[in-house]
Amino acid sequence: RKEVEQDPGPFNVPEGATVAFNCTYSNSASQSFFWYRQDCRKEPKLLMSVYSSGNEDGRFTAQLNRASQYISLLIRDSKLSDSATYLCAVTFLTSGTYKYIFGTGTRLKVLA
Amino acid sequence: DTEVTQTPKHLVMGMTNKKSLKCEQHMGHRAMYWYKQKAKKPPELMFVYSYEKLSINESVPSRFSPECPNSSLLNLHLHALQPEDSALYLCASSRAPGQGDSYEQYFGPGTRLTVT
Repeated sequence: RKEVEQDPGPFNVPEGATVAFNCTYSNSASQSFFWYRQDCRKEPKLLMSVYSSGNEDGRFTAQLNRASQYISLLIRDSKLSDSATYLCAVTFLTSGTYKYIFGTGTRLKVLA
Repeated sequence: DTEVTQTPKHLVMGMTNKKSLKCEQHMGHRAMYWYKQKAKKPPELMFVYSYEKLSINESVPSRFSPECPNSSLLNLHLHALQPEDSALYLCASSRAPGQGDSYEQYFGPGTRLTVT
């Protein structure tokens, strides 16, 4: 089993739709969780951290379920500019430092 | 400011060349990372420096040699690479354990490396 798993997609959705991605992780000692957005041939950009209580940033909502070991990202009112690959990242402490493990990414295409 | 800079943006090198990739951040982060990313794959961790000491080497071949001259700089020295090493090389930084409560990681724009 991979340490961090995501559905690769692509998710093709019309503008204005709501879309949700899940990401599962296998290491129960994982401590911090993040969503990144990556555009084609660019670096990953931090979208948001994910907290146990859930958090929202505009049209984006992230949630963490430690019991079931997954995190989710909800995008409301999708825009064409949301088209990208969304990577989840999970960290845990090892060798005195934080190691980040990335999921394979989920491709989103928002269609006009 | 959450900027990580990397130079060069693009690099083409032969299999007998020696070159270096450079990375810099001024966020006060004491953890710095090198990743390799191939097309349609996630970033793959290569090395982690924490407080300027190498703390993780993910069994990377010795033709890749990292260096952390100070808390703001990270280099990756390349020698005798193979064509399959062609990829996007990403540098990232974050707080290190003991620096605070949040450990968001920020990436530089990457160096696109082609080995001929």
